[in-house]
Parts: sequence; C-alpha cells; structure tokens
Amino acid sequence: NAGVTQTPKFQVLKTGQSMTLQCAQDMNHEYMSWYRQDPGMGLRLIHYSVGAGITDQGEVPNGYNVSRSTTEDFPLRLLSAAPSQTSVYFCASSYSTGVVSAFFGQGTRLTVV
Amino acid sequence: SQKIEQNSEALNIQEGKTATLTCNYTNYSPAYLQWYRQDPGRGPVFLLLIRENEKEKRKERLKVTFDTTLKQSLFHITASQPADSATYLCALASSGGYQKVTFGIGTKLQVIP
Repeated sequence: NAGVTQTPKFQVLKTGQSMTLQCAQDMNHEYMSWYRQDPGMGLRLIHYSVGAGITDQGEVPNGYNVSRSTTEDFPLRLLSAAPSQTSVYFCASSYSTGVVSAFFGQGTRLTVV
Repeated sequence: SQKIEQNSEALNIQEGKTATLTCNYTNYSPAYLQWYRQDPGRGPVFLLLIRENEKEKRKERLKVTFDTTLKQSLFHITASQPADSATYLCALASSGGYQKVTFGIGTKLQVIP
C-alpha cells in the first residue's frame, strides 16, 4: 500500500515554463487536495477535488490548474511558472469531507529561476 | 480575518518530560481541530482529531484538549523521547460542505536526551 505518491520530488523550472506535478493515491479516497508550504506560513490550499470530475479552487489558485479524471490521480499544472511559485507542494487525500485525517505525499520542492 | 497562532519559536524539552504545545485561534468557529506531525523533508502525518463538543482526546502518549471558550487547543506528549522531535501542526476546519482546513505554521519540538 503506497498511500499518496508525488512526483517529481525536486524540480527546477525557468520562468515561463509549464509543468505538471503528479499525485496518485491507492486508497480509493474521494477527496484530494493540493497545498503549498512556504517558510513562515502554514500550508495553503491551492485546489481540491471531492471526486472524479469535480474540482474547486482553494485559497491560492492563481497560476495553477487541476483536473480529476480518475479517483486515483490529481495532477497539478503550473501554466507559466513564476519565481513566486517557488515552494514545497503537497498533495493530500482523505476518505471524508475536507482534509480530515488526511494522508499527505512526500512533497515536491519546486524552484523557479 | 481568521487566524491560527502556534508558538513559532522552537520548544526544547528534556527527555522524559511532558511537552505541551499551544494552538490559539481567532475569528473561527471550528467544527474540529487536528494535529499533525511533520518531519524535515516529509509530508505531514495525521495524529489526532478532536471535535468541538469534545474536551479531551488521548492516543497512547498523546493528549489533546480543546477549549472553544478560550479558543485554544493544547497538545501534550508525555514521557517525551528524542524520536518525538519534529514540527507539530495544528489545523482547523469549519463545518458544512467541503471543510477547507486551515493550518497553523507549526511549532518545532526538540527533545534533548
């Protein structure tokens, strides 16, 4: 049982480049979400999904896109990377509403230069 | 605006003692409160959840209290061990719909042998 798997673990992008952060879970959880974590700030919600085909914006959605075509996968797309998107990104999944008792991935450390 | 405060300074404690971490919140009516542990370079790991109508919750050496009048939660680790050294995050969620969870910045605990 792998839990929540994020790839890649590290990434360096140039300003303006696009990329997709992958997130997969094997626990059949309906609820998945993406957070970013910056020094001195708590985890901030980017986007979330309550099931396949349903997504919604969180606190800091600008510059990011998501889709949920299957229960297992919830990729996060950076449309045109900016230095302000340098952060550590975490994907989470849970079996109930919200982030209750959530399982988090290992994180993706992204640097935009 | 809604605010969660955790002691941003590190807490150093001698092995065997009880560690007590504080989570205060303002302008919030949480349905429940969670505590997570985060190790460097890893994603948060869920520890305990306490609901608004519960005063106390225990799990092995962990104890959480929740005082909605004081707008405060206390997280206790009894008989602390060096392996308990980590950052502990407090997270609150309101009731209704998809509960968007707000995380505090965390308190770093260092247990000294």
